[in-house]
Amino acid sequence: QKEVEQNSGPLSVPEGAIASLNCTYSDRGSQSFFWYRQYSGKSPELIMFIYSNGDKEDGRFTAQLNKASQYVSLLIRDSQPSDSATYLCAASSAGNMLTFGGGTRLMVKP
Amino acid sequence: DAGVIQSPRHEVTEMGQEVTLRCKPISGHDYLFWYRQTMMRGLELLIYFNNNVPIDDSGMPEDRFSAKMPNASFSTLKIQPSEPRDSAVYFCASSFGRVTEAFFGQGTRLTVV
Repeated sequence: QKEVEQNSGPLSVPEGAIASLNCTYSDRGSQSFFWYRQYSGKSPELIMFIYSNGDKEDGRFTAQLNKASQYVSLLIRDSQPSDSATYLCAASSAGNMLTFGGGTRLMVKP
Repeated sequence: DAGVIQSPRHEVTEMGQEVTLRCKPISGHDYLFWYRQTMMRGLELLIYFNNNVPIDDSGMPEDRFSAKMPNASFSTLKIQPSEPRDSAVYFCASSFGRVTEAFFGQGTRLTVV
């Protein structure tokens, strides 16, 4: 059983809509959480990280963390076709081990 | 900094051959990670180093896999002998300090025929 779970998708949203990506984790010792974006054939690149409960906003992206529910989410406002990619959620625990979920494929349709 | 550099970008080899993947982390980073990515299993952590010392290799699938980090600027992942099921994209990543973001190299796409 993977320690970080994501719906594989694809999640399809129209251009301009809000895309909501979700992630759950099983290790209560996880301290920080990361959202990576991976375009097909490319390497993962960091979009956002969050350490504290609540929301963290950066431009069109908002990360949300609820440690009690062991739940992390990423909201993408005003979705663009260029946002179409696979989004990987990762949790970091003691020793700095990054554990990745399987990723959610997002498709933004013009 | 040029980022994490991996070589080769693509490798095609025959079953039974030895394969060596190389990685140069970002200068100053003290953590180095080797990941493997496949469609079926996603991104899996194979092994990671802290200050050149292997900390956790529990993700290494078999004894056919080995990794070394002889100095702060170089690491290798070796597969000997290689098998078709080893075909995947292998990523190297590095980070500075604990609980921080990892920067990924461009990956090595390995095909074992």
